Amino acid sequence: DAGVTQSPTHLIKTRGQQVTLRCSPKSGHDTVSWYQQALGQGPQFIFQYYEEEERQRGNFPDRFSGHQFPNYSSELNVNALLLGDSALYLCASSLVSAWGTQYFGPGTRLLVL
Amino acid sequence: TQLLEQSPQFLSIQEGENLTVYCNSSSVFSSLQWYRQEPGEGPVLLVTVVTGGEVKKLKRLTFQFGDARKDSSLHITAAQPGDTGLYLCAGARGGQGNLIFGKGTKLSVKP
Repeated sequence: DAGVTQSPTHLIKTRGQQVTLRCSPKSGHDTVSWYQQALGQGPQFIFQYYEEEERQRGNFPDRFSGHQFPNYSSELNVNALLLGDSALYLCASSLVSAWGTQYFGPGTRLLVL
Repeated sequence: TQLLEQSPQFLSIQEGENLTVYCNSSSVFSSLQWYRQEPGEGPVLLVTVVTGGEVKKLKRLTFQFGDARKDSSLHITAAQPGDTGLYLCAGARGGQGNLIFGKGTKLSVKP
């Protein structure tokens, strides 16, 4: 049973560019959440998708957008990249009925130069 | 202001010692999760606790959820070098899908 997978594993971009990160949830899960983890910090919630709709959003600007596909996989898009967007981006999958239990993927390390 | 405060922030101990990590908040959570994270990797779920006063054991790890569901602790007995890592607590509030994380406790167990 494959767990949560993310691609790519690493990415280097320059300021002003756009990036798309991808996530496939754990088999049987219907909800995908995205988090940003800066060095030395705990993950910060970006948004959550369920039934192809954004269900909840954290305190992130509109440059951060997402999508969920009918097969439950998801994408995170970030436009007009800033140096401060450099971080580990984590995808987590869960069942909408679960009591907060979320399973994380290995993450995508984004470096913005 | 950090909603979930973890302490200590850093912990360096010898193999065989016991330790406790704390996760405190002034807010009530419907559930609380503990994760362990290695550098450059995603957090790995250790346990979910949902009932006030609940105690769960996972081999040498004991997790407790406070009676008021505002705090939690993780106790490791006879720590081993393989326990080294970043321990994160994360709370979920009723009706909300996001997890709120503490900053983590970085544990180093020396042989």
